[in-house]
Amino acid sequence: SQKIEQNSEALNIQEGKTATLTCNYTNYSPAYLQWYRQDPGRGPVFLLLIRENEKEKRKERLKVTFDTTLKQSLFHITASQPADSATYLCALPVFGNEKLTFGTGTRLTIIP
Amino acid sequence: GAVVSQHPSWVICKSGTSVKIECRSLDFQATTMFWYRQFPKQSLMLMATSNEGSKATYEQGVEKDKFLINHASLTLSTLTVTSAHPEDSSFYICSLSGGWETQYFGPGTRLLVL
Repeated sequence: SQKIEQNSEALNIQEGKTATLTCNYTNYSPAYLQWYRQDPGRGPVFLLLIRENEKEKRKERLKVTFDTTLKQSLFHITASQPADSATYLCALPVFGNEKLTFGTGTRLTIIP
Repeated sequence: GAVVSQHPSWVICKSGTSVKIECRSLDFQATTMFWYRQFPKQSLMLMATSNEGSKATYEQGVEKDKFLINHASLTLSTLTVTSAHPEDSSFYICSLSGGWETQYFGPGTRLLVL
């Protein structure tokens, strides 16, 4: 089964800087990879999807990259704001399936 | 995207009782829904896949007789935790399948078993 690791449990970044989160997987490269935001006591909220044939995807201050050789996705938040503080989860589909496997999550804190 | 609600948002019950959690799609008909469980500081773990009009498919290690899932309509799936024990205390989250690459998540239900 796929094992997914996110670089660190917690990450503190100064406001205005770029936050970079890492998602590594161990087995097969998935057809796509997703990033979610989860606030305390709430369900995940979808942010971005990147497919295996895409190197980079952007949405406003968010950027995701996908390197199937390294088996890694990077998630960047530029010009970070305290409101970006949350836990960020990456998720990969189970091979040939709609089901998702989630990473361990990174708790991001943007310090004013 | 679809709007998903869960009821109740939190529940406290005594050990040995059963608790039902509802997952509703307010504006989307979903033939497939998923139920996840999340323990503190851990990630979401898929418990089961709920298919409208048929039996749910459970992930390895999840007791189907303890976690009863009913998906009676395209807009409602229920999860019943039977004979709940303190170790069942967790955050339960449902999602709807919006297609191959899309899931819409509910706000979650916090269960505390005393």
